[in-house]
This record gives sequence, C-alpha cells and structure tokens, in this order.
Amino acid sequence: SQTIHQWPATLVQPVGSPLSLECTVEGTSNPNLYWYRQAAGRGLQLLFYSVGIGQISSEVPQNLSASRPQDRQFILSSKKLLLSDSGFYLCAWSVQANTEAFFGQGTRLTVV
Amino acid sequence: QKEVEQDPGPLSVPEGAIVSLNCTYSNSAFQYFMWYRQYSRKGPELLMYTYSSGNKEDGRFTAQVDKSSKYISLFIRDSQPSDSATYLCAIMDNYGQNFVFGPGTRLSVLP
Repeated sequence: SQTIHQWPATLVQPVGSPLSLECTVEGTSNPNLYWYRQAAGRGLQLLFYSVGIGQISSEVPQNLSASRPQDRQFILSSKKLLLSDSGFYLCAWSVQANTEAFFGQGTRLTVV
Repeated sequence: QKEVEQDPGPLSVPEGAIVSLNCTYSNSAFQYFMWYRQYSRKGPELLMYTYSSGNKEDGRFTAQVDKSSKYISLFIRDSQPSDSATYLCAIMDNYGQNFVFGPGTRLSVLP
C-alpha cells in the first residue's frame, strides 16, 4: 500500500533562518506531488506541484522554493524565512491524472 | 468570485443528527470531486471521491454532485462525536493536475 511521510511534525525557526521540509512517498511510482499551506481557519493554498523529477510548477510567488531530486521525494525550502511563512504545510500525492490526492500529516511551522 | 465556496460554519449538531455540508464552484471544467475530513493539527483524510452527477454512498456518508448547478454536498447520517472535524471539499480540473479546495466547515457533534 502507498504511504506518505512528512517531517518534521513541528518546527520553530527564527526569522531569516533557512528552511527544509521533506516529503517522501512509498508504494507508487511517478506520482504527482504537491505542497500546500494552510493558514489558521483558512483553506489550503497550493504552493508547488510536480509531475516528475525536476519538474516544478509554482502557483504563488514567494520566498519559498521546491525541488524533486528523486521520483518520490519532494522538498520545500527557503533561504530566509519571514514571519508570514508561519503556517501548516502539507505534502500530498496523487496518481498521475484525474485521481484523488492523499496527504501527509503536515508540518506546523512557527517563525519567531 | 472564488473558485470554490463552502458553508463557513462552524456547525454544531447533537449526536445522531443528519448533517449536510455544502460547496459551490464556479468553473464548469471541474470534473472530479472529493470530500476530506481534517482533525485538528492533522493532515486531511480522504472520505469520498466521485466524478459523476448523482449520489455516492459509503456507510454513513453520502456525496451528492449536481454539475448543472455546480453544487456538491456531503451528508452524514447518525452523526457521532468522532465526526467532529473540519470538512473540506476539493475539486480537480479536467487536466488532472490541480486541486482546488474550499475553506472548510468545522463540525462539532455534541454527545
């Protein structure tokens, strides 16, 4: 069966520090991968999605970036965090084309 | 107009009640519809997935889609305190790459 792992679960980082969140998927090949951010009491905002290794589409311009160095690995990064980067970050995967998405357990990031 | 709108809630119901959660969408290109349940501080969990108009039932849950009205609903029968969570509708466009989520409705089922 397929599983998705996302870590860390909680992170407190100072303003201006770098960020690296990692997500891996097991049990499937060539998945679509997604990074979402969820602000308190608000819906999910799509940040990045990837349909293959090295292929990243950005939905929202910001100081975050994403990379997909391996088929089932998706990384969210920042060189310098802002206070506004605080939120709940979710990684998700779906089988290629027209199927439902499955989510990791999320990372709660607080920038102080 | 937002692409997906959802009853804002919060919604409180007594145990055993029938719950109706609703979303509307604006783009007729949307073809695939999902409902997710999200407990506090957890990732969303898929409840229902459908791509056709009509009803789809799974246990106490029924998803209803009306493409002509661009309206989707989730019904929960015999609601339980364990159903207390935020419910998110999600819609995928016909290109199969992008999901659009509603803002969520928080439901509390009181024992």
